[in-house]
Amino acid sequence: AQSVTQPDIHITVSEGASLELRCNYSYGATPYLFWYVQSPGQGLQLLLKYFSGDTLVQGIKGFEAEFKRSQSSFNLRKPSVHWSDAAEYFCAVAPSIDYKLSFGAGTTVTVRA
Amino acid sequence: KAGVTQTPRYLIKTRGQQVTLSCSPISGHRSVSWYQQTPGQGLQFLFEYFSETQRNKGNFPGRFSGRQFSNSRSEMNVSTLELGDSALYLCASSPGGSGLVYEQYFGPGTRLTVT
Repeated sequence: AQSVTQPDIHITVSEGASLELRCNYSYGATPYLFWYVQSPGQGLQLLLKYFSGDTLVQGIKGFEAEFKRSQSSFNLRKPSVHWSDAAEYFCAVAPSIDYKLSFGAGTTVTVRA
Repeated sequence: KAGVTQTPRYLIKTRGQQVTLSCSPISGHRSVSWYQQTPGQGLQFLFEYFSETQRNKGNFPGRFSGRQFSNSRSEMNVSTLELGDSALYLCASSPGGSGLVYEQYFGPGTRLTVT
C-alpha cells in the first residue's frame, strides 16, 4: 500500500541549532515530493518540492531537503532554526499522474530559547 | 496575486444539518482540491476538480460532495452532518493541466464544528 511516514511526532530544538525532519514514502515509482508547514490556526504553506533532477532542493525560509531514492526518503533540514520555525511540518507525496496529495502524520517542532 | 480564500472561516452546525463551504482559487488556477484535517486522521484528500469536472476522489462517503463553477470557484457540501465531521476543511488550488502535477497552494481553511 502507498504510504507516507514521518517517524517523529514531536521534536524540540534549541534556537540556533540545526533541525532535521524525516520523511519516508512507499510508492511503486518515484513520486513527486513536497514539504509543507502549518502554523496554528493557519493553512498549509509550501516550503519546497521535488519533481526531478538535483536531489538536493532549496526552499523558502532557509529550508532544504534531500531526496534519496535508495532509502525512499525526503528529509527536511535547516542549519539554524529561529523561534518562528515552531510549527507543524508535513511531508506529502503525489504519484506522477495522480493529482491527490497523500500526507504524513506531521511533525510538531518546538523551539526553545 | 491574491491567495486562496475560503468562506466562512468558522462554522458551527448541528448534527443532521447540511453545510456548504466555499473556495476561491488563485487567479488563473483551474484545479481545486479539498482536504479534511482532523487530529485523529490527519490530512485526508476529499476530491479534486478541474475545469468543472471531478477528476479525483478520496475515500469519503457520498454525504461529501463538491462542484466547481466556470470561474474555477468551488464548493463542497456535507449533508446529514455527524459529530465526526468536525474538522478543518482545507482547499488548495493549482494551475492544473493534463499529465503534470503542480504544487498546491492552500487556503486558511474552514473550521467546522458539529454539535
